Amino acid sequence: EPEVTQTPSHQVTQMGQEVILRCVPISNHLYFYWYRQILGQKVEFLVSFYNNEISEKSEIFDDQFSVERPDGSNFTLKIRSTKLEDSAMYFCASRKRGGTAGELFFGEGSRLTVL
Amino acid sequence: RKEVEQDPGPFNVPEGATVAFNCTYSNSASQSFFWYRQDCRKEPKLLMSVYSSGNEDGRFTAQLNRASQYISLLIRDSKLSDSATYLCVASNTGNQFYFGTGTSLTVIP
Repeated sequence: EPEVTQTPSHQVTQMGQEVILRCVPISNHLYFYWYRQILGQKVEFLVSFYNNEISEKSEIFDDQFSVERPDGSNFTLKIRSTKLEDSAMYFCASRKRGGTAGELFFGEGSRLTVL
Repeated sequence: RKEVEQDPGPFNVPEGATVAFNCTYSNSASQSFFWYRQDCRKEPKLLMSVYSSGNEDGRFTAQLNRASQYISLLIRDSKLSDSATYLCVASNTGNQFYFGTGTSLTVIP
């Protein structure tokens, strides 16, 4: 069964360092998302991406964050200068269709620990 | 105001019990609704979509009440493997999916 894959599974970094989290969405999906979940809290929307551009972003997704789809398969989330409060599980998700149809498929997540 | 609200629980029920979770959403323009299941430190996985007419999948039944902006999930004959956090999700036409905080369920032998 096709799945969303994410790397790394866990990254530990120092405050102020840049981090890139990578995702390979399901191949025939058109909509891509990043979510984060701070330990013990809810899943929070960061950004959605369609047709090679950001379609929506949340207040969390400030200038420190960026997304790219550098080739036909990878979808990356970059955090330019990490802060302690960026420590969380980051989930990539993809969706085949937009509008009112189509479920989200999640990757297993990348756990980011900022020291 | 939270987009989606759920009772966080925890719900501790014996095997074989029936348990119901409720969820409310604030945006009347929400179009699609889902229940996701999340095991500890794992990714959310779709349990079932919620349709206006209500739908059933084995031991699981989902209901939607658009007038009250209310979604429910009923689990019958609970199994130990049902222990997880259940996430209520509402989606608008703009492709945003809003997650509730989740309801924790533990099924006890």
